[in-house]
Amino acid sequence: DADVTQTPRNRITKTGKRIMLECSQTKGHDRMYWYRQDPGLGLRLIYYSFDVKDINKGEISDGYSVSRQAQAKFSLSLESAIPNQTALYFCATSPKDSQETQYFGPGTRLLVL
Amino acid sequence: RKEVEQDPGPFNVPEGATVAFNCTYSNSASQSFFWYRQDCRKEPKLLMSVYSSGNEDGRFTAQLNRASQYISLLIRDSKLSDSATYLCVLKLGGKLIFGQGTELSVKP
Repeated sequence: DADVTQTPRNRITKTGKRIMLECSQTKGHDRMYWYRQDPGLGLRLIYYSFDVKDINKGEISDGYSVSRQAQAKFSLSLESAIPNQTALYFCATSPKDSQETQYFGPGTRLLVL
Repeated sequence: RKEVEQDPGPFNVPEGATVAFNCTYSNSASQSFFWYRQDCRKEPKLLMSVYSSGNEDGRFTAQLNRASQYISLLIRDSKLSDSATYLCVLKLGGKLIFGQGTELSVKP
């Protein structure tokens, strides 16, 4: 079983709809992250959480919100989707050790029409 | 200036070739450095960490020069399966900062 899972894996939605992307992990890591990837731009950080009660904005948080319901779950919401939020979204986790890297989920492909 | 800059791609090389990727970073406070591999819009996967003393993992060698703020990845005896995008990544303040990646295509 995968350590970091994302649902849905693919989603098509319309402009103005609210959509939630889910991330779950079984690695026991404290830290979780949401990124988006666009062609030619690399991965950009949307939000991150170092613990259940901790939420931090990343580089591109406008238009997004998150919820850290438990250590193992971190959800990303698009309150009112717009076409330029069409992208590949990745969730990632890492332990507290500052030298450790991050482990990524398989990604969610989102298309906003 | 971007925080992490990589060689523009794509690199098209024949099997068996040696290929080198370079990466520069702008923040001297960067704590850790990594090379990730990403296949065809799948998730990035850690290829190797990069240490100041340089480190090798089979056909892959990574180097870090903190004074010049420069990281490199050398792939020897390229295989078809090495075709992917290689991401230069640094860690700063608990967050990862990604380069945009360099695409490698290894041809028969």
